[in-house]
Amino acid sequence: DAGVTQSPTHLIKTRGQQVTLRCSPKSGHDTVSWYQQALGQGPQFIFQYYEEEERQRGNFPDRFSGHQFPNYSSELNVNALLLGDSALYLCASSFGRTGFSEQYFGPGTRLTVT
Amino acid sequence: AQTVTQSQPEMSVQEAETVTLSCTYDTSESDYYLFWYKQPPSRQMILVIRQEAYKQQNATENRFSVNFQKAAKSFSLKISDSQLGDAAMYFCAYRSTWAGGTSYGKLTFGQGTILTVHP
Repeated sequence: DAGVTQSPTHLIKTRGQQVTLRCSPKSGHDTVSWYQQALGQGPQFIFQYYEEEERQRGNFPDRFSGHQFPNYSSELNVNALLLGDSALYLCASSFGRTGFSEQYFGPGTRLTVT
Repeated sequence: AQTVTQSQPEMSVQEAETVTLSCTYDTSESDYYLFWYKQPPSRQMILVIRQEAYKQQNATENRFSVNFQKAAKSFSLKISDSQLGDAAMYFCAYRSTWAGGTSYGKLTFGQGTILTVHP
């Protein structure tokens, strides 16, 4: 049983560019949450997708957007990249939208903006 | 909004000894979950232990146990018989169970504590 997978592992982009990160949830999970983790900090919640809709959103600008597909996989898009967007982006999957299901994390995508 | 604070940026312990990591949180809710996650250099966030706020009994998972003080809003992690593989960044996290709130379903993390285990 595959866990949460994310691609790519590493990514280097230039300021002003756009980036798309991908996440496949653990088998049986239908909810995907995205977190941004700056170096040496705790993860910060970006948003959560359930039933192909954004259900919760953290304090991130509209440059951060996402999508969930019918197979529950998800994408995180960031437009007009800033140097401050350099971080580890973590995807977590869970079952159902309730607060009772465990969130399982993927290995993350390391984004570097130069 | 809920906040989680870890006041120990770094801790160290000798192999086979016991160490306690501290965490405090702030919330106005009465029902919630608290977690300790471990993040080794491989970056994979791994759940260590969880505590449901309505349960008075402290959670235990093998060598890991918590001291949950609801009134004091304190949630510490005790690691007994420390092993070299315990070396990692440890995060305390909060999750609301209130469906009507803006924090529903999301994890709020502390800043983390780097644990070093000396052989």
